Amino acid sequence: GENVEQHPSTLSVQEGDSAVIKCTYSDSASNYFPWYKQELGKGPQLIIDIRSNVGEKKDQRIAVTLNKTAKHFSLHITETQPEDSAVYFCAASMPNDMRFGAGTRLTVKP
Amino acid sequence: DSGVTQTPKHLITATGQRVTLRCSPRSGDLSVYWYQQSLDQGLQFLIQYYNGEERAKGNILERFSAQQFPDLHSELNLSSLELGDSALYFCASSPDPSGSYEQYFGPGTRLTVT
Repeated sequence: GENVEQHPSTLSVQEGDSAVIKCTYSDSASNYFPWYKQELGKGPQLIIDIRSNVGEKKDQRIAVTLNKTAKHFSLHITETQPEDSAVYFCAASMPNDMRFGAGTRLTVKP
Repeated sequence: DSGVTQTPKHLITATGQRVTLRCSPRSGDLSVYWYQQSLDQGLQFLIQYYNGEERAKGNILERFSAQQFPDLHSELNLSSLELGDSALYFCASSPDPSGSYEQYFGPGTRLTVT
């Protein structure tokens, strides 16, 4: 089955700086890669996703890149704000099998 | 608000007991997924239903079972509860059965087994 590794487990940045979270996956059949943000006491919320036929996708301050050859994908958050503080999860999915990374706790210091 | 509802929000029960968690998917979504999130752990996929039929199974214990009803709401039944079953349980819904599509998560049910 698929195995997803996520790094780092914790990340602290100053407000306005960029944050990068990286994930690797093991199964080349994975074709869908979502990123979720989970705030304290809430369910995960989809923030951006990318499919295997696309190398990069951007939505305002958030971007995701995918390298299929190396089997890794990354989340980039620019101009971070205190409200970006949360736990972020990556996931890799193939039909009927979505696996999540262990999560990254991002803290943005004002 | 994702449109997915879960009840109850909190549940406290004793070891050996049985509980039922309920999930209503977003309007129009036929797929329901159940996940377990233990303290400081990631999301562990338990089981998926699509339009009333079991579609995929993950790390679900034999003491746990689920079903999806004709109105598409789903229930997760946990029996012979152990202390280690204490966790957040999330359901998610999706319009697509394949898993290669956006999943929308509910607010979760926090289960505490004492």
